[in-house]
Amino acid sequence: DSGVTQTPKHLITATGQRVTLRCSPRSGDLSVYWYQQSLDQGLQFLIQYYNGEERAKGNILERFSAQQFPDLHSELNLSSLELGDSALYFCASSVFGGELFFGEGSRLTVL
Amino acid sequence: EDQVTQSPEALRLQEGESSSLNCSYTVSGLRGLFWYRQDPGKGPEFLFTLYSAGEEKEKERLKATLTKKESFLHITAPKPEDSATYLCAVPEGGGGADGLTFGKGTHLIIQP
Repeated sequence: DSGVTQTPKHLITATGQRVTLRCSPRSGDLSVYWYQQSLDQGLQFLIQYYNGEERAKGNILERFSAQQFPDLHSELNLSSLELGDSALYFCASSVFGGELFFGEGSRLTVL
Repeated sequence: EDQVTQSPEALRLQEGESSSLNCSYTVSGLRGLFWYRQDPGKGPEFLFTLYSAGEEKEKERLKATLTKKESFLHITAPKPEDSATYLCAVPEGGGGADGLTFGKGTHLIIQP
């Protein structure tokens, strides 16, 4: 158990819809990272937050957004969903850089 | 340009047959080389961090080594439970991010 909690574990929705994925980092970790993993791609970095502030953006689509709340939990919002958005979405946390600790992921299926 | 390249993409071994996985990186000023294990449908699990050429770390049947250009994950006398995808990663380059850039992994299967 990494200590990072993600909900929901599985989500099935239709094209055009909007979903929210939630992540609670390990106790004491200030950084939260979101990654996307699809069958034909490796782990793709989406976005990072540190202590409530956006720190870095990777290959995140404009339809996707995230935020980190004062209690340090984070949410990833995916809107206008397309079939190609089906993937595993992972949240990871760290104190500040170094080793990242990953949650179990949220599997999103867009039909 | 890929910063991290892993080979082989897949490897099938018999139980007890030792081998090595390769991770080549092209970043300059390496700030750590990270190895993870990922089981199907699960999140990556941290294994090792290496910081300087010549460094080695061991955990059970796994040993990770680092040179100036690449890292190896040596698996000695593997067991079926070692079957997983092994990922290596380096810190993100530029932009102030301190996350990790991952290779595509080596899918390892250990047959009984």
